[in-house]
Amino acid sequence: DTGVSQNPRHKITKRGQNVTFRCDPISEHNRLYWYRQTLGQGPEFLTYFQNEAQLEKSRLLSDRFSAERPKGSFSTLEIQRTEQGDSAMYLCASSFLRGPIGGYTFGSGTRLTVV
Amino acid sequence: SQQGEEDPQALSIQEGENATMNCSYKTSINNLQWYRQNSGRGLVHLILIRSNEREKHSGRLRVTLDTSKKSSSLLITASRAADTASYFCATDTGNQFYFGTGTSLTVIP
Repeated sequence: DTGVSQNPRHKITKRGQNVTFRCDPISEHNRLYWYRQTLGQGPEFLTYFQNEAQLEKSRLLSDRFSAERPKGSFSTLEIQRTEQGDSAMYLCASSFLRGPIGGYTFGSGTRLTVV
Repeated sequence: SQQGEEDPQALSIQEGENATMNCSYKTSINNLQWYRQNSGRGLVHLILIRSNEREKHSGRLRVTLDTSKKSSSLLITASRAADTASYFCATDTGNQFYFGTGTSLTVIP
């Protein structure tokens, strides 16, 4: 297992288009998190899953955003009708159910640029 | 909004010096973690301190936690140019996990 994998690494899209990102967590981890990070800021929590159940959603996650984790394995984050303000780094992390013994493991992120 | 605030926002030191960053947070926590992020990359977990711990060491890292003041500090001793990065504290409340605003550390060779 090589850690948390995110694809694509970079995505450039035109305003109004839909985009989908994928995250493959560490296989033994039951929790999966999505964060958004803009330049010079810390990551902002978007949502998290425990197995396939989405347990928490930030108010930052507007109705244009949807996340899924079918079968409790990989997760997808879709943004519909993208806006320039959606340009950011989208980070995925995973951990064990009972909290991080060794911290959360993050992927390298997907950088979205909306033009 | 983010849970934590870090101080200073930016820090520049000479190689070999110690670097200290502080984090303040707002609510009760289960644990507090520190992460490092190199420019344009993902975050790397450095150290975790639980709410019932006061101090923890890992190599050149020393973390303290004062739950009465809702604050933590990260000390990097004998800094190296490779320590240049942004450092974030993150608070785990059990339900949510919030990052601070980060400290940008530059270590000058």
